[in-house]
Amino acid sequence: GAGVSQSPRYKVAKRGQDVALRCDPISGHVSLFWYQQALGQGPEFLTYFQNEAQLDKSGLPSDRFFAERPEGSVSTLKIQRTQQEDSAVYLCASSLAGGPIGEQFFGPGTRLTVL
Amino acid sequence: KQEVTQIPAALSVPEGENLVLNCSFTDSAIYNLQWFRQDPGKGLTSLLLIQSSQREQTSGRLNASLDKSSGRSTLYIAASQPGDSATYLCALGGYSTLTFGKGTMLLVSP
Repeated sequence: GAGVSQSPRYKVAKRGQDVALRCDPISGHVSLFWYQQALGQGPEFLTYFQNEAQLDKSGLPSDRFFAERPEGSVSTLKIQRTQQEDSAVYLCASSLAGGPIGEQFFGPGTRLTVL
Repeated sequence: KQEVTQIPAALSVPEGENLVLNCSFTDSAIYNLQWFRQDPGKGLTSLLLIQSSQREQTSGRLNASLDKSSGRSTLYIAASQPGDSATYLCALGGYSTLTFGKGTMLLVSP
């Protein structure tokens, strides 16, 4: 069966460009999560969706970061006017049920490099 | 705010050794604790999930324990193999988020 997929796997952007990162969760999974992982660090929570509802966006570092999941399946994380400090691996995870938190299954991540 | 510490940061052992990875946390009000492995350039693979009401979980050569009263979890790996080389991350489950430690980088040499 298919796991969580993310695209692109690698993205290089010039400072100031907008980027969009895509996540395809496991089919039927209700919950979807985005994390940011800086080099040598553990992943840090960005935002959480239950179906199409964004229930927690407390981890988004600034208003340049925006996430959506309009039909409760595929999700897109958009970063506007990218900065060098946005360089990181962006991980998406999905979970079968809604809260409270259950086992999460992670995608391979998108490595974003901002020059 | 939950804080998660993993010790040691890095560990190198010869093949066949049994080893213990440690994870400590500050807030015991958790729903569960998960251990993951991460290979270079890859995503996270779930190894074990311990619910808040449980004390341990086992899968093959892996055994994870949870002691909420002391804020500690351990991951025990028996008879280590070179294929076990990876970074191991523990994560504490709040209602809707996971809070991760920085990980332990394990190298098992043949």
